[in-house]
Amino acid sequence: DGGITQSPKYLFRKEGQNVTLSCEQNLNHDAMYWYRQDPGQGLRLIYYSQIVNDFQKGDIAEGYSVSREKKESFPLTVTSAQKNPTAFYLCASSPRGMAGELFFGEGSRLTVL
Amino acid sequence: AQSVTQLGSHVSVSEGALVLLRCNYSSSVPPYLFWYVQYPNQGLQLLLKYTSAATLVKGINGFEAEFKKSETSFHLTKPSAHMSDAAEYFCAAGEGPGRDGNKLVFGAGTILRVKS
Repeated sequence: DGGITQSPKYLFRKEGQNVTLSCEQNLNHDAMYWYRQDPGQGLRLIYYSQIVNDFQKGDIAEGYSVSREKKESFPLTVTSAQKNPTAFYLCASSPRGMAGELFFGEGSRLTVL
Repeated sequence: AQSVTQLGSHVSVSEGALVLLRCNYSSSVPPYLFWYVQYPNQGLQLLLKYTSAATLVKGINGFEAEFKKSETSFHLTKPSAHMSDAAEYFCAAGEGPGRDGNKLVFGAGTILRVKS
């Protein structure tokens, strides 16, 4: 079945450690996105990529990094510079020509201990 | 910059009652508008979208929304609530086709509770 796979679903990290969240899609979509979700704040855009080897910062990119070496993959690294990393992270993709129609993964919940 | 406001972080209705979830956007140009639904610990799923065609948009699961430019609103309705409608609902706005056409701004969300 086509879809977006995020892993791990749950992750615990000690302060000062970097962690990488995986996002893979087999929908052949061009664009991919990372959102952060906090209770009562909706979704905020971290990074997005419209094509391979290109990505742009979203509204809250500080303390995060991404890469887009393959069309199918868009991993997100939460670095130790991110001051408040505990959150629910959602990856999404969208096909060319369907403005705003995002397909989401099931999310990764990161807890910093 | 665009912003999206959802009035009411929590809405409670009885099973069989009308569901009304409110969304207002701020934009000088009518944007593309969306409603997404999220069940606990899951990703979001598209309910419906407005892309400058018909102002009354029908979506999945019996939901519909009406775009009102004069009120800058895009409220979500369903005539009769079902227990399975209990979830969090997000309104979102995008600028339409173009390089950043898929870069959406989301509202804070409204949690819908359905009482039996």
